[in-house]
Amino acid sequence: QSVLTQPPSVSGAPGQRVTISCTGSSSNIGAGFDVYWYQQFPGTAPKLLISGNNNRPSGVPDRFSGSKSGSSASLAITGLQAEDEADYYCQSYDSSLLLFGGGTRLTVL
Amino acid sequence: QVQLQESGPGLVKASQTLSLTCTVSSGSLNNGSYFWSWIRQHPGKGLEWIGYILYIGSTYYNPALKSRVTMSIDRSKSQFSLKLTSVTAADAAMYFCARLISGDYFDLWGQGALVTVSS
Repeated sequence: QSVLTQPPSVSGAPGQRVTISCTGSSSNIGAGFDVYWYQQFPGTAPKLLISGNNNRPSGVPDRFSGSKSGSSASLAITGLQAEDEADYYCQSYDSSLLLFGGGTRLTVL
Repeated sequence: QVQLQESGPGLVKASQTLSLTCTVSSGSLNNGSYFWSWIRQHPGKGLEWIGYILYIGSTYYNPALKSRVTMSIDRSKSQFSLKLTSVTAADAAMYFCARLISGDYFDLWGQGALVTVSS
């Protein structure tokens, strides 16, 4: 059971908008720590998708965006594409411990 | 372009020590903003941060693994290493090395090294 809770799976049709939540608590996200998001395809290493709550590294499409409110954060993907089908992880801090969410499998219908 | 590459035995016997090395190519470890890290991922599961080491040798480990983990760094070889003692089947996983920026986020990852534990 991860301290940062993500839905195990989400799905959407091509072109749609999906969101993935990352729910924490007052000791991590709620304490003001930034949230980061990673994308991972099967058999490969995770890739940084969003840093500092809503900053996209070079090369990440602007279809991806992040937000944070209170003790939760969200990753939004607009204009869903088949190539977005992957696992997504949030990451933050809690008591000086680096934490990952349990991950969310995105299925493009 | 900086790249990370894990190496080490893919099979470790239970109760023995898992040893992995990460080689950093086209880049220097000598930067105080880089925290050289290890993360593992059990099959079909999420990511677990193991710990990190700074270029000066300071370390910080996940408390859940701290009693069994040792990390070291060899700047002359552009390598940093992980040792995990007394392994069990629960330590079988994909082990990634990664660069942690200022202790905040991982911007570079190795491709991963799969470690199996035999009884």
